Parts: sequence; structure tokens; C-alpha cells
Amino acid sequence: NAGVTQTPKFRILKIGQSMTLQCAQDMNHNYMYWYRQDPGMGLKLIYYSVGAGITDKGEVPNGYNVSRSTTEDFPLRLELAAPSQTSVYFCASSYGGPPGYADTQYFGPGTRLTVL
Amino acid sequence: ELKVEQNPLFLSMQEGKNYTIYCNYSTTSDRLYWYRQDPGKSLESLFVLLSNGAVKQEGRLMASLDTKARLSTLHITAAVHDLSATYFCAPNRDDKIIFGKGTRLHILP
Repeated sequence: NAGVTQTPKFRILKIGQSMTLQCAQDMNHNYMYWYRQDPGMGLKLIYYSVGAGITDKGEVPNGYNVSRSTTEDFPLRLELAAPSQTSVYFCASSYGGPPGYADTQYFGPGTRLTVL
Repeated sequence: ELKVEQNPLFLSMQEGKNYTIYCNYSTTSDRLYWYRQDPGKSLESLFVLLSNGAVKQEGRLMASLDTKARLSTLHITAAVHDLSATYFCAPNRDDKIIFGKGTRLHILP
């Protein structure tokens, strides 16, 4: 199993450009998440999905969009990039399961994005 | 809205000493996660705590959960340099896993 994969690893964007960060998992997980981590800070939840076709906003969704057309893939779209979106972006997945289930969240390696 | 507070945010300690990291959260949660992050790396899951009074141990790390107090602790026993990292707690509510700011742990040889 490759686990959670993210592409690209690094990217530099100019202000106003758009891009899509790719995330895929091969563990047949239902839940997928996008987080951003600013330097020296914790992770902020951008969007999450509990299954194909279902997405919902997290703590900091403005400036981002997501889709979940398959169980495996959960791309994050940045429209009109701004310097405030400079960050490291992590994708994660978990099985889900009912309350009482010891669900483990697996993280991808991250994408380091700089907007200049 | 679920808010998470970790204390301390930075901890420098000597090898061989014991210490505890505290994680307070603002609303009820049905799971609480602890993660480790090494500099420049991704996150590694350490523990998942489900119920009041839950205690899990792995090596020199022990995590506990008090759901009534909305408090989780990560206790480090006889610290070694390899445990230097940033540790995050993250409770779960309504399918959202919300992270604390992290505790940067520096263990001096």
C-alpha cells in the first residue's frame, strides 16, 4: 500500500494563479481531510469529506474548493492564490467508523506551497 | 465550536526527567488523538483515546483521557533525546478533527 500520496511536493505560485493539490489514498478509507500548517503552528482544517460525493467546510475554507468524485481521490483547488495561502498542506484519511471505533488518521507527506 | 488548548507550547527538559503535556478542549468529543511531528516531516499517529478514563502506553509515552474534565494528558517518562519532536492533541467532534497548536519538546542530552 502506498498509503496517502500528495502531489506536488513543492510549488511556487504567483499571486492570482490557480492550482490543484492532488491527494489519493489506497486504503479504501471513507474519510478524507485537508489541513494547512503555517510555520510553527498547529494544523487548521480546510475541508473534509465523509465519503464520495460528500464534502464539508472546516475551520478555514475561504479561498479553497474541494471535490470527492471517488473514494480514492480528494483534490484541493486554490483559486486566485494569495500570499496568505503560503503554507504546508497536508492531506489525511481515516476509515471513519461508528463512535467507539478506534479510528486512526493517516497523513500524506505534505505539499509546501509558496505564493509570491 | 470546538477549541483546543495545549500547555505548554514549548518545553525544554533534561534526559531522564518526567513531564506532562496538557490538552484541554471546549466541547464534548467522542475521540481524542495524539500525534508526533518531527521537523519538516508529516504527522505520525501515536494514540487514539475513546472513553473516559482511557489510558494508552507506548514505550515512554502514556496518554490518558478525562472526558468529564475535557482534558487529556501525554506523560513522558525518563525522557530520551529521540523523543524530541512536536506533539499535537486533536479531539474529534461531528467528523471534524481539530488540532491544538502543539507542544515543541526539546530534550537535552
